[in-house]
Amino acid sequence: AQKVTQAQTEISVVEKEDVTLDCVYETRDTTYYLFWYKQPPSGELVFLIRRNSFDEQNEISGRYSWNFQKSTSSFNFTITASQVVDSAVYFCALGNDMRFGAGTRLTVKP
Amino acid sequence: DSGVTQTPKHLITATGQRVTLRCSPRSGDLSVYWYQQSLDQGLQFLIQYYNGEERAKGNILERFSAQQFPDLHSELNLSSLELGDSALYFCASSVVGRGEQFFGPGTRLTVL
Repeated sequence: AQKVTQAQTEISVVEKEDVTLDCVYETRDTTYYLFWYKQPPSGELVFLIRRNSFDEQNEISGRYSWNFQKSTSSFNFTITASQVVDSAVYFCALGNDMRFGAGTRLTVKP
Repeated sequence: DSGVTQTPKHLITATGQRVTLRCSPRSGDLSVYWYQQSLDQGLQFLIQYYNGEERAKGNILERFSAQQFPDLHSELNLSSLELGDSALYFCASSVVGRGEQFFGPGTRLTVL
């Protein structure tokens, strides 16, 4: 069965703190895609990253970084030096049947 | 702006009614996906179309149906509406079946 678990329902940090959002997935597929999406208060869903299962290199994009570990079935997302504009709900998703996690609500306080 | 458009933005209707939600994908995208986001169920994948053909089905109720037309726009039909169908319905599109998806702004459906 395909499953994505985001165990952290809500996280609150103070601006400039680093924060890691956890994502653990289950799949029997040998080839799959993982995604992160951001849903700010305005409601739209914004694509952040796609990772395929045979590329375990970590990725960095500005203040955002992603750690993909196949051995632990995890695809964690770190925001460095968080900002108030990072406040949003973040979803991890497993791409083969587009299964989304429940989301983590991140609040960054000034 | 993702390039995906959805109409209407808001829809208020009564139980038992039928509504149609419309989605236009980004130019060049052949795949269209529909999702439902509600408070209790989270973000759920409903159905995917690729170049007019149904490609994958998720948690879509029998009262719901969708289609993708030759011009690639898609419609999601919801019938015999119930209070629990109140949700935000998103459409997304992608170039290939499993590539990154770009989401429209959503249609907020309220069933009274």
